[in-house]
Amino acid sequence: AQSVTQLDSQVPVFEEAPVELRCNYSSSVSVYLFWYVQYPNQGLQLLLKYLSGSTLVESINGFEAEFNKSQTSFHLRKPSVHISDTAEYFCAVSRVSAGGTSYGKLTFGQGTILTVHP
Amino acid sequence: ETGVTQTPRHLVMGMTNKKSLKCEQHLGHNAMYWYKQSAKKPLELMFVYSLEERVENNSVPSRFSPECPNSSHLFLHLHTLQPEDSALYLCASSRRIGGGGELFFGEGSRLTVL
Repeated sequence: AQSVTQLDSQVPVFEEAPVELRCNYSSSVSVYLFWYVQYPNQGLQLLLKYLSGSTLVESINGFEAEFNKSQTSFHLRKPSVHISDTAEYFCAVSRVSAGGTSYGKLTFGQGTILTVHP
Repeated sequence: ETGVTQTPRHLVMGMTNKKSLKCEQHLGHNAMYWYKQSAKKPLELMFVYSLEERVENNSVPSRFSPECPNSSHLFLHLHTLQPEDSALYLCASSRRIGGGGELFFGEGSRLTVL
């Protein structure tokens, strides 16, 4: 079984400052990795994902995350945050299965609340 | 219509009421899920349906009863709930094969049990 640890439950930052949200995972097999974002009173939306290929993945709104297999990490970064980035962020992992079936296998971290102050 | 749609968005019910939450997905997926999100707790997977068959039930009390009549619709029937069942209930869908298990979520149904 896999597990996910988000090391910070809350991260306050000022607008235009850089931010890093940390995520570490534990798994005995290869994994896929995801970051989801949840704005107040909404569901979770996919921010970015790593399935294969380049270990650095980017979102359309300036976030990026790097898969580091040796450190079993998938930290989320943004060089300059906006007020609108205030939300809760969830890291999630699923294991790579040989048969291709992957449903129901996402494990979520406990979430990190990012608060951007003016 | 796009994505995953949940109704109602808000629901207030007494402990003796019977109500249902509805989820509909327009993504052509064939796996659907119910999650419970409570304050200060991690996301809890409640039920998983694949090809309309329940494949996972994570020790959820029987006062929650899921129904999946087809691959596009998922219901959560509620009866004799407790105040601690107040939470945001999220529906999600995914491809059964491929995609790495990526989930597509609805906006949730906020349930308050009085």
